[in-house]
Amino acid sequence: EVQLVESGGGLIQPGGSLRLSCAASGFTVSSKYMTWVRQAPGKGLEWVSVIYTGGNTYYADSVKGRFTISRDNSQNTLHLQMNSVRADDTAVYYCASVGPWLAYDSWGQGTLVTVSS
Amino acid sequence: DIVMTQTPLSSPVTLGQPASISCRSSQSLVNTDGNIYLSWLHQRPGQPPRLLIYKISNRFSGVPDRFSGSGAGTDFTLKISRVEAEDVGVYYCMQATQYPVTFGGGTKVEIK
Repeated sequence: EVQLVESGGGLIQPGGSLRLSCAASGFTVSSKYMTWVRQAPGKGLEWVSVIYTGGNTYYADSVKGRFTISRDNSQNTLHLQMNSVRADDTAVYYCASVGPWLAYDSWGQGTLVTVSS
Repeated sequence: DIVMTQTPLSSPVTLGQPASISCRSSQSLVNTDGNIYLSWLHQRPGQPPRLLIYKISNRFSGVPDRFSGSGAGTDFTLKISRVEAEDVGVYYCMQATQYPVTFGGGTKVEIK
């Protein structure tokens, strides 16, 4: 059974750094595109970043230069390094696997990041 | 960026009755490879989204056949033939034809 479990969220001050993790089971993260999507409180879904099987990465303009997506194949884990965080980065962050036809086929439960002083 | 516009914002539905959600993209979703990367997701309150439909009209594994997707070009539709209580929540269309991936604003389905 495919499972994704995010961790690493919490309260952080503006300008700080945080590293989110997404532990996968039931498949290997290196075998699928993997993505991060966030959802601000009471709002809709916003795409953040994707990493391809070959290692190519893409980012939303709102996080480009501040966030870095990566994966640790030995730990079967996806990461999102968040630097220079801002108040508008406050959201639940979901990791998801990308299946055929670039559909986001499995999602984690999410981890809440709150940026506030 | 491709803007995805969903209508209606809210859809009160009687149990057992049909529901329909429209999604319009600001430009064609036909990729340079000739494919359209349009999906539908469902999010129940307090839950993560889950995939319902991919490639416009293909039901994901385990999705009941009362859900159907259709459309082409810039206009897409999700239909629920007979709404059940478990169908409440917010539905999102999503395009992955072009980066950044973008989502519709969501349509809330609730029971009358």
